[in-house]
Amino acid sequence: KAGVTQTPRYLIKTRGQQVTLSCSPISGHRSVSWYQQTPGQGLQFLFEYFSETQRNKGNFPGRFSGRQFSNSRSEMNVSTLELGDSALYLCASSGLGHSYEQYFGPGTRLTVT
Amino acid sequence: DQQVKQNSPSLSVQEGRISILNCDYTNSMFDYFLWYKKYPAEGPTFLISISSIKDKNEDGRFTVFLNKSAKHLSLHIVPSQPGDSAVYFCAASARNNAGNMLTFGGGTRLMVKP
Repeated sequence: KAGVTQTPRYLIKTRGQQVTLSCSPISGHRSVSWYQQTPGQGLQFLFEYFSETQRNKGNFPGRFSGRQFSNSRSEMNVSTLELGDSALYLCASSGLGHSYEQYFGPGTRLTVT
Repeated sequence: DQQVKQNSPSLSVQEGRISILNCDYTNSMFDYFLWYKKYPAEGPTFLISISSIKDKNEDGRFTVFLNKSAKHLSLHIVPSQPGDSAVYFCAASARNNAGNMLTFGGGTRLMVKP
């Protein structure tokens, strides 16, 4: 079974630009969660989507948004990029219903200059 | 407000010995706990989990212990191998969440010396 895939793996953007990251979950998984990892703040939950609906949201500004498609693939968007948005963005998927175990993709390393 | 804490940023252990990684939490609503292992440039890999109704769960060389009264859990790796060298994160989830949301500790870097 293929794992979680994320594209692109690396991205360099300039302050003020916007960016879209993509995540394909494990086949059959309907829940997709996004996390931000930075050296200072560790791994922080951004949001979770299940069946195309946002089910949970972390404490991030409205510049961070996401969506999920009918095939469970998900995208997250960050608008008006700031230097502090430089981070590893991780996507995780989990199985039916309320399944605690989440399986992570390799992440997208975003650098904002 | 860090609800999940790993107070040791690093740990060094000799190959073959036991590695013990610790994690403390403050939110009494957490009812499920997980450990993940992370190599550089890769996403975290799920290792082992434990429900709050148990106090121990074992999987091969990995055992997780949960002390609910102390709000403390630990991961034991025995015997430790050089390939275990990685950053280990503990994570917690609360049943009152509508869905999946993990709260992570800051991680402990384990170095297993040959």
